[in-house]
Parts: sequence; C-alpha cells; structure tokens
Amino acid sequence: NAGVTQTPKFQVLKTGQSMTLQCAQDMNHNSMYWYRQDPGMGLRLIYYSASEGTTDKGEVPNGYNVSRLNKREFSLRLESAAPSQTSVYFCASSESYRGGGADTQYFGPGTRLTVL
Amino acid sequence: AQSVTQLDSQVPVFEEAPVELRCNYSSSVSVYLFWYVQYPNQGLQLLLKYLSGSTLVKGINGFEAEFNKSQTSFHLRKPSVHISDTAEYFCAVIFGSSNTGKLIFGQGTTLQVKP
Repeated sequence: NAGVTQTPKFQVLKTGQSMTLQCAQDMNHNSMYWYRQDPGMGLRLIYYSASEGTTDKGEVPNGYNVSRLNKREFSLRLESAAPSQTSVYFCASSESYRGGGADTQYFGPGTRLTVL
Repeated sequence: AQSVTQLDSQVPVFEEAPVELRCNYSSSVSVYLFWYVQYPNQGLQLLLKYLSGSTLVKGINGFEAEFNKSQTSFHLRKPSVHISDTAEYFCAVIFGSSNTGKLIFGQGTTLQVKP
C-alpha cells in the first residue's frame, strides 16, 4: 500500500516549456487535490477533484490545468512554465468531500520544480 | 476573507522542554481544524484534528491541541519535546458547514529542538 505517489520528484524547466506532474493513490479515495508550497505561505490549493470526472479551481489556478484520468490518477499540467511557478507541488487525496469535508487528506512526497 | 495565521515562523526550544505553537483563524460560524507535520523533504502527515465535541484533542506523538471558539484559536502543545520533533508544523482550517474539503493553511511554524 503505497498511499499517494508523485512523479517526478525533481524537475528543472526553462521558461515556456511544458510538463505534467503525475499523481496516483491506491486508497480508493474519491477526492484528490493539488497544492503548491512556497516559503512563508503555507500550502495553497491549485485545483481539486471531488470525484472521478469532476474538477474545480482552488485558490491559485492560473497557469495550470488538471485531468482526473480515473479514480486513481490526477495530473497537473503546466502549459507554459514561468519562474513564478517555481515551487514544491503536493498531491493529496481523501475518502470523500461531499458530505465528508472533514475527511483526512493524505499527502504525497512532493515534486520540487524549478523554472529558470 | 478567510485566513489562518500562525503567529511564529520559528520556535527554538531545548529537548524535554514544553512547547506551544500558536494558530488563529478568521471568525466563522463553524470550522474543522487540523494540525499537520512535515518532516524534511517529506509530505505532510496529520497530527490531529478537531471536528466537534471535546475542545481538547489528542494526537499522535504526544501532541494535543485545544479549540477555543471565543478566541478563534487552535494552539498545539507538547509537554516535553524530543529532537525527532524537529519539523515544520501547519495549522489548517475548513471553514463553514458546506463540507467542501478545501483546507486553508497557515504559513507554517518551524520547530527547532536543540539538545
């Protein structure tokens, strides 16, 4: 039982390049989330998916797109990377959010992204 | 706007001393409250959470937190810290009763335990 896994662990991009961050969970959770972590700012929600086939914007969605590929997988895409997107990205999952908003979120190990 | 404030960015403390990490949130009719810990180069792990009931919540690794509705606070405490408690600690809140699951995080507090 691996929990939440993320790939890659590290990535360096040049401005304007694109990439996709992958996330998968094996806990049969319905809801999945993408956060970014910046020094002194805590974690901020980028996008979330309440259930397979649905996605919604979080606090800082600009410059990102997401895909809930199936119940297990939730990817985050940067179409044209900018230096302001240099950050650590965390994926998380929880059992439910409709009717269970207080469910514990389980976090992956993170992807450290640098945009030059 | 809904917000969570962790009043201390860094807290240095000697091993076996008590510690309190402070968290305040903007006023709301109802809240769910969480503390997460992040060890170096790892993801976040849940320490404890308050959903309802007793205002004193006990978590893992000897930590506890107290919900104070009148002061809109949820401070984290441990009576005796160990070197292994060195980590970053995040307070997080779900505001309102809509069960959105959207966590609002504080800025984080780095706990530095010295021998």
